[in-house]
Amino acid sequence: DAEITQSPRHKITETGRQVTLACHQTWNHNNMFWYRQDLGHGLRLIHYSYGVQDTNKGEVSDGYSVSRSNTEDLPLTLESAASSQTSVYFCASSEYITVSYNEQFFGPGTRLTVL
Amino acid sequence: AQSVTQLDSHVSVSEGTPVLLRCNYSSSYSPSLFWYVQHPNKGLQLLLKYTSAATLVKGINGFEAEFKKSETSFHLTKPSAHMSDAAEYFCCLGGQNFVFGPGTRLSVLP
Repeated sequence: DAEITQSPRHKITETGRQVTLACHQTWNHNNMFWYRQDLGHGLRLIHYSYGVQDTNKGEVSDGYSVSRSNTEDLPLTLESAASSQTSVYFCASSEYITVSYNEQFFGPGTRLTVL
Repeated sequence: AQSVTQLDSHVSVSEGTPVLLRCNYSSSYSPSLFWYVQHPNKGLQLLLKYTSAATLVKGINGFEAEFKKSETSFHLTKPSAHMSDAAEYFCCLGGQNFVFGPGTRLSVLP
């Protein structure tokens, strides 16, 4: 069965370190998204990609970067981790942007703690 | 600009009684709308979606939602709550980017 996986599931790091969160999907979807989830804020979009070599900034992109070298993967990098980036991170994918019933499929999440 | 409002941050019901979770949206074009459920320490799972085919949409686990354009609403209902329905529920506006509401936590009391 197709799926979307994230690794690691839990990560503890120190302020100032570079951290990369992996996201891999086997749906063969064009679109991939990264969100962070914090109490009282719901899900906020960090970065998204509509295809290979395409990346775009979302609502809360400062301090994060992504790159898309193939269809299956969209790694999220925290260049210099800050305590404000302690959160739960979700990756999602969807098929086409022009299709109205185009729901997103979510990974299980990565809980990141920055000390 | 697109936006989603979920009017209640927390709803508490007794098992066997109806559930109503409210969602209002703002969109400059015909929307696609979704409800997702998140159980503790899990990812989001799609409950149902509105794609302009029918205004009353049925989803999984007995949930349904009605799209009302005049009220810009897409409220989620279930006739009889079950203990397993206790979770966080997110209303979502689709399109080029997805816009999520802040979520409603549903508690089900025995």
